[in-house]
Amino acid sequence: SQQGEEDPQALSIQEGENATMNCSYKTSINNLQWYRQNSGRGLVHLILIRSNEREKHSGRLRVTLDTSKKSSSLLITASRAADTASYFCATASNFGNEKLTFGTGTRLTIIP
Amino acid sequence: DGGITQSPKYLFRKEGQNVTLSCEQNLNHDAMYWYRQDPGQGLRLIYYSQIVNDFQKGDIAEGYSVSREKKESFPLTVTSAQKNPTAFYLCASSMRSGATGELFFGEGSRLTVL
Repeated sequence: SQQGEEDPQALSIQEGENATMNCSYKTSINNLQWYRQNSGRGLVHLILIRSNEREKHSGRLRVTLDTSKKSSSLLITASRAADTASYFCATASNFGNEKLTFGTGTRLTIIP
Repeated sequence: DGGITQSPKYLFRKEGQNVTLSCEQNLNHDAMYWYRQDPGQGLRLIYYSQIVNDFQKGDIAEGYSVSREKKESFPLTVTSAQKNPTAFYLCASSMRSGATGELFFGEGSRLTVL
């Protein structure tokens, strides 16, 4: 079953603008992770945020986590053409956390 | 370079045939995973292994089989019992068992049933 649901499913913005995508999940989590996938390639890990953290930064990425709302957001600032990809959130449940469950992804297109 | 190697990148199969997808890692990771991805969808877990000679079914294990005889290798066999095997298959590994850290992915294998 899919634990996370990303929103929107697709997003197109101009280069230089900020991109925000959201992830909602259903059960209590140990951590939440964001991954990027270029078309036809494997996934690349971007950032991990633990359940006791509220915000985390990595370069142009900012991730927030609201466990009361069971949601997370990924902000990419000053977008570049190379940011065009699909972005997935993945959650590790507190109950049997030996595996990650992935959402359906947001397809981000950066228009040069 | 350290990483995960999947082969073949593209594979075509006739109905009724079993095929085996290879996954090798030189990261010295304990845990390995197989995911299936269908067009426009997220990843679904097929099987995972937290230690050599042990593996567990994921959410969609029916029609698939795996082995973990060596730490660095986790091959996936798609059997003829899998009714809709055409998909993109992704292998991943993590340093420790459990989902407390990041996954490292291979570049995937695209299987097409003719």
